[in-house]
Amino acid sequence: GEEVAQTPKHLVRGEGQKAKLYCAPIKGHSYVFWYQQVLKNEFKFLISFQNENVFDETGMPKERFSAKCLPNSPCSLEIQATKLEDSAVYFCASSQWFSPLHFGNGTRLTVT
Amino acid sequence: QKEVEQNSGPLSVPEGAIASLNCTYSDRGSQSFFWYRQYSGKSPELIMFIYSNGDKEDGRFTAQLNKASQYVSLLIRDSQPSDSATYLCAVRGSGGGADGLTFGKGTHLIIQP
Repeated sequence: GEEVAQTPKHLVRGEGQKAKLYCAPIKGHSYVFWYQQVLKNEFKFLISFQNENVFDETGMPKERFSAKCLPNSPCSLEIQATKLEDSAVYFCASSQWFSPLHFGNGTRLTVT
Repeated sequence: QKEVEQNSGPLSVPEGAIASLNCTYSDRGSQSFFWYRQYSGKSPELIMFIYSNGDKEDGRFTAQLNKASQYVSLLIRDSQPSDSATYLCAVRGSGGGADGLTFGKGTHLIIQP
């Protein structure tokens, strides 16, 4: 498609529950990125993929966060045992080589 | 640690005037530079990108890049109330297509009618 599609739009989880977010990149884009936006405008880089391969995961809290981009499936970001501090908007973006990143509409995760 | 610095504002500009937004970055190896606009509750929307030193114009928007000074700016001419938003400066390194963006914290711009 011509847009980065993220689902669900909103997700509410109790503390300690699992959360799974999905992202379908723009067709033909080889690179996928996940960002976390907490408290208005602070964007935190989480992880990037080149096709199904992890390129950079330096931003991921690895003990609870994991992500995958498998062929012919939406990419996913999973948070095991959510904490209150995980409440944020999670944005997925995709791009071609060195082209600008195009962002999806985000998933708002609320942990209660 | 790559850093991108922006004045958080708010920057208040009268309608019809020029709004000037500034950004500095720490990584001298950075190769590409972007300005995104984000309305409250929405996703970032690409406004401009620039790769080479100098100016790049697109309609009412002009991006300026000075790699020697590690400085990027965005000028908005004939500012409109609809330009009121947060403007995010983002920088991409030289690590290839999968090199993610480092964002500044954004400048909140208010255009006063």
